[in-house]
Amino acid sequence: ETGVTQSPTHLIKTRGQQVTLRCSSQSGHNTVSWYQQALGQGPQFIFQYYREEENGRGNFPPRFSGLQFPNYSSELNVNALELDDSALYLCASSFGGTGGLETQYFGPGTRLLVL
Amino acid sequence: TQLLEQSPQFLSIQEGENLTVYCNSSSVFSSLQWYRQEPGEGPVLLVTVVTGGEVKKLKRLTFQFGDARKDSSLHITAAQPGDTGLYLCAGVGAAGNKLTFGGGTRVLVKP
Repeated sequence: ETGVTQSPTHLIKTRGQQVTLRCSSQSGHNTVSWYQQALGQGPQFIFQYYREEENGRGNFPPRFSGLQFPNYSSELNVNALELDDSALYLCASSFGGTGGLETQYFGPGTRLLVL
Repeated sequence: TQLLEQSPQFLSIQEGENLTVYCNSSSVFSSLQWYRQEPGEGPVLLVTVVTGGEVKKLKRLTFQFGDARKDSSLHITAAQPGDTGLYLCAGVGAAGNKLTFGGGTRVLVKP
């Protein structure tokens, strides 16, 4: 069973640029959630995708957008990067649709630095 | 907005000592989870507590969920250097699809 993988591991961008982060979910999982973890803080929920549809969104501006593909992998896109976007971006996969508590399995994250 | 506050933010102890980490909220969560995160890795789930007043033990780790399901604690007995890491509590929303994390407690266990 393959775990959650993310790419790239590290990324450096400049203000105003756009970035795409990728996540491959664990085998058998149909749900991907994205979190932003600033240095020294806990992760903050960005949004979740279930069967290719957005299924909940946190308090992030529209320049944070996402996609989920038929194979349940996912992308996080951030436009017009700001310095405060520098953080570890975590994706977590789970098997959803049961209406109950779903255990989320986290990937190692992508560390983004915006200069 | 549901918020979770963890205390202390940082804890440094000697091997063999005990420690307790607290997680408090003004809101009720359907359940609460504890994670441990090591540098360069994502959080790893340790336990989920669901019922108010519930106590779960995982070897030297004891987790409690408050009666009102607004607070929780993690107690580590006879801490070892391998317990070093960032401990995060996370509240699970009613829909089960969103985790609200606390700010984390960084634990350092010195040999």
